[in-house]
Amino acid sequence: QQPVQSPQAVILREGEDAVINCSSSKALYSVHWYRQKHGEAPVFLMILLKGGEQKGHEKISASFNEKKQQSSLYLTASQLSYSGTYFCGTEFNDYKLSFGAGTTVTVRA
Amino acid sequence: EAGVAQSPRYKIIEKRQSVAFWCNPISGHATLYWYQQILGQGPKLLIQFQNNGVVDDSQLPKDRFSAERLKGVDSTLKIQPAKLEDSAVYLCASSLGSPIATSEKLFFGSGTQLSVL
Repeated sequence: QQPVQSPQAVILREGEDAVINCSSSKALYSVHWYRQKHGEAPVFLMILLKGGEQKGHEKISASFNEKKQQSSLYLTASQLSYSGTYFCGTEFNDYKLSFGAGTTVTVRA
Repeated sequence: EAGVAQSPRYKIIEKRQSVAFWCNPISGHATLYWYQQILGQGPKLLIQFQNNGVVDDSQLPKDRFSAERLKGVDSTLKIQPAKLEDSAVYLCASSLGSPIATSEKLFFGSGTQLSVL
């Protein structure tokens, strides 16, 4: 079952912050986050397992709210290199990964 | 470390023709995935292999799509005959494939962009 991501798109200036949300209607085992730049392969950012653990990658971090079946990705002090489409992937107890439709992030100088 | 290799990079065919894509995963990765990514959408899993066995092909349109992974290494995805709606990027990914059921990081190839005219 495909997760729902919001917002669909966000435009930032360098140094600004943003939050991307990923929601599921079913109990999650884990949430994956990937970033894809135009014309390139998706690149792994992080995996969060149920338990509310927060992880980080550069100034990008994420949390997992087990009660809400939701994960949030935080882009802090955004850089031009953060531009791309962010996908969340959700896994249930069967370990089958389903991706959301993506959130396009544009960071401008 | 070499990444996931895919070829061709681009392919243009006419509807009703056949096409094949090739993938070579990262050495030692037991699990291989084929995803279809339609423009503006997230990747959709078509088929997942563990070594040379199929783990999940529930979303593979089996009347026209087929895939194999001989000897548990390289894989080929075929479409025959192609339809207009098959225009998409076909991504191959691999992961370690731990024998213990757990979440794993996926490594993606650059994909094959297919245009069906």
